[in-house]
Amino acid sequence: NAGVTQTPKFQVLKTGQSMTLQCAQDMNHNSMYWYRQDPGMGLRLIYYSASEGTTDKGEVPNGYNVSRLNKREFSLRLESAAPSQTSVYFCATTLQGNTEAFFGQGTRLTVV
Amino acid sequence: AQSVTQLGSHVSVSEGALVLLRCNYSSSVPPYLFWYVQYPNQGLQLLLKYTSAATLVKGINGFEAEFKKSETSFHLTKPSAHMSDAAEYFCAVSGRPSGTYKYIFGTGTRLKVLA
Repeated sequence: NAGVTQTPKFQVLKTGQSMTLQCAQDMNHNSMYWYRQDPGMGLRLIYYSASEGTTDKGEVPNGYNVSRLNKREFSLRLESAAPSQTSVYFCATTLQGNTEAFFGQGTRLTVV
Repeated sequence: AQSVTQLGSHVSVSEGALVLLRCNYSSSVPPYLFWYVQYPNQGLQLLLKYTSAATLVKGINGFEAEFKKSETSFHLTKPSAHMSDAAEYFCAVSGRPSGTYKYIFGTGTRLKVLA
């Protein structure tokens, strides 16, 4: 079992370009999350999906959109990338919202 | 609203000394609390979790944490630090103040272990 798989692992974008970060899990978990990690700021919640068919904004949703395609997949889209979105992005899943979170290996995104 | 505050972004201890990493939380509903560890260039992995069954929680690698409701704290301790404990540690809170669980992390504490 792969657990939580994120693609791509690395990406460089030019300002204004768009891209989608993909996350897939084979753990049969209900809840999925997107975080960004920046030095000194910890992990900040961008969007989350408590269950298939629902999505909610987190702490820093501006500039992002998400899609919970099915129970397994939760994608994060940057419509018009900005240098401030340079970060490491983590996808995580939980069986329920109050249980252990399992993380992907992260996507390192640089916007120039 | 839920939040966690981790006091001290960097902590240094000598090998064999006590490790104490501080976490205070804020939650309008009974919280679920967690400590995670992150090694360089990796994702996070769970150390331990509090889910109201017991206030003193034991985790992996000799770590433990005590939930103190009166102090809204969930500090992480380890009696004797080992070089392999050098990593970044994150406290997290999950609760359901508005229907769905939100999983919020603190800003992290980087632990350095001195030989």
